[in-house]
Amino acid sequence: EVRLAESGGGLVKPGGSLRLSCAASGFTFGSHGMVWVRQAPGKGLEWISSITTRSNSKYYADSVKGRFTISRDNTKNSLFLQMNSLRVEDTAKYYCARAAGSNGFFYIYLDLWGEGTTVTVSS
Amino acid sequence: QSVLTQPPSVSGAPGQRVTISCIGSSSNIGADFDVHWYQHFPGTAPKLLIYVDRNRPSGVPDRFSASRSGSSASLAITGLQAEDEADYYCQSYDSSLSSWVFGGGTKLTVL
Repeated sequence: EVRLAESGGGLVKPGGSLRLSCAASGFTFGSHGMVWVRQAPGKGLEWISSITTRSNSKYYADSVKGRFTISRDNTKNSLFLQMNSLRVEDTAKYYCARAAGSNGFFYIYLDLWGEGTTVTVSS
Repeated sequence: QSVLTQPPSVSGAPGQRVTISCIGSSSNIGADFDVHWYQHFPGTAPKLLIYVDRNRPSGVPDRFSASRSGSSASLAITGLQAEDEADYYCQSYDSSLSSWVFGGGTKLTVL
């Protein structure tokens, strides 16, 4: 079965850290760019980070730049998001998603999503 | 405030046709970056609905269609069904922000 499964969410205090994982199965993980998207309570989807197939390029939204780090391990079919200096406004459900498209990385769309993992930042 | 503007909500009766607009600018849709659409039932994984402006993935009914013109795009749903009640998001790339962007989302209510 083609699937993405996030884990690692939880409750953390402001200023704390958390590492999210996304386990991929059923497809050739190393052939796809990967993305993290989040949805804060009552808000819409927000693209926060992308990584190319061999980790050559990594991209971050301004809202997380300098605090979050995306990485991947193609030998373990896994995507990660290290989140440091967490803020209350980082409270959200975090989704990992598979990038697809043949027109270049800036033209990608997300053709497979996980169910998400919830991060709550609160004192 | 998203750089891709969608109406917060739309509604329609079963069987009717509704459209959801996605208004961008010269740095995203107007710059010829592709537009994609997602369907999201709260609490579940979002689902790709339309990719590269007007293409439907396998399994998406042909009641869903999309188009673009200039700096805008739109999603049309015909033969509205109760099961279509969900949130819908457009997505593209913005060269000014150097980031992929989603529209603010539109909640579809089937009356």
